[in-house]
Amino acid sequence: EAGVAQSPRYKIIEKRQSVAFWCNPISGHATLYWYQQILGQGPKLLIQFQNNGVVDDSQLPKDRFSAERLKGVDSTLKIQPAKLEDSAVYLCASSFFPRGRLGTEAFFGQGTRLTVV
Amino acid sequence: AQTVTQSQPEMSVQEAETVTLSCTYDTSESNYYLFWYKQPPSRQMILVIRQEAYKQQNATENRFSVNFQKAAKSFSLKISDSQLGDTAMYFCAFMNPISGGYNKLIFGAGTRLAVHP
Repeated sequence: EAGVAQSPRYKIIEKRQSVAFWCNPISGHATLYWYQQILGQGPKLLIQFQNNGVVDDSQLPKDRFSAERLKGVDSTLKIQPAKLEDSAVYLCASSFFPRGRLGTEAFFGQGTRLTVV
Repeated sequence: AQTVTQSQPEMSVQEAETVTLSCTYDTSESNYYLFWYKQPPSRQMILVIRQEAYKQQNATENRFSVNFQKAAKSFSLKISDSQLGDTAMYFCAFMNPISGGYNKLIFGAGTRLAVHP
């Protein structure tokens, strides 16, 4: 079974530039998560999709971050314009959520390390 | 709101010895999952072990086992016969269903474990 795919693995941009990250979840997984992980901290949920609908974006800085999930499969997370404090690892994860059940653990991609200079 | 607390920022252990990582959580839910994830320097989050709240028996996976105390809301991870490859960040995570039909997954701040020869 193929895992969660993310690209790019590394990105360096200047502040005020824009950047986009791509994620392809495990086939059949309805739930897709984007997390931001600042060095030395635990992952913080930015946005969660159930199929192609957003179910939680309460911690997404909506003035600069946006995300979409096309046809309930691939997802793109964008930052525009980037700030220095956006330097972090961005993790994508997916999980299977059978109707009426608790669901399974989340499977993670390798993450994208973003450096804003 | 649910919270996950890991009170040990760093731990170290000698190879072949046993170490226990602590985690406490807060929730009013009765049905949920708890997980331990490992994150090596490669950044890939890997599931170590999971526990379903309705199961009284503690989960085990080879050298890894948990001590799940539901009433105390405690979920510790024991690593036996520690190996150099166990060196990593370890995250405790909590997943519970939300009304509306999706799972919320939150993480603790992590414990950095170093295994020394």
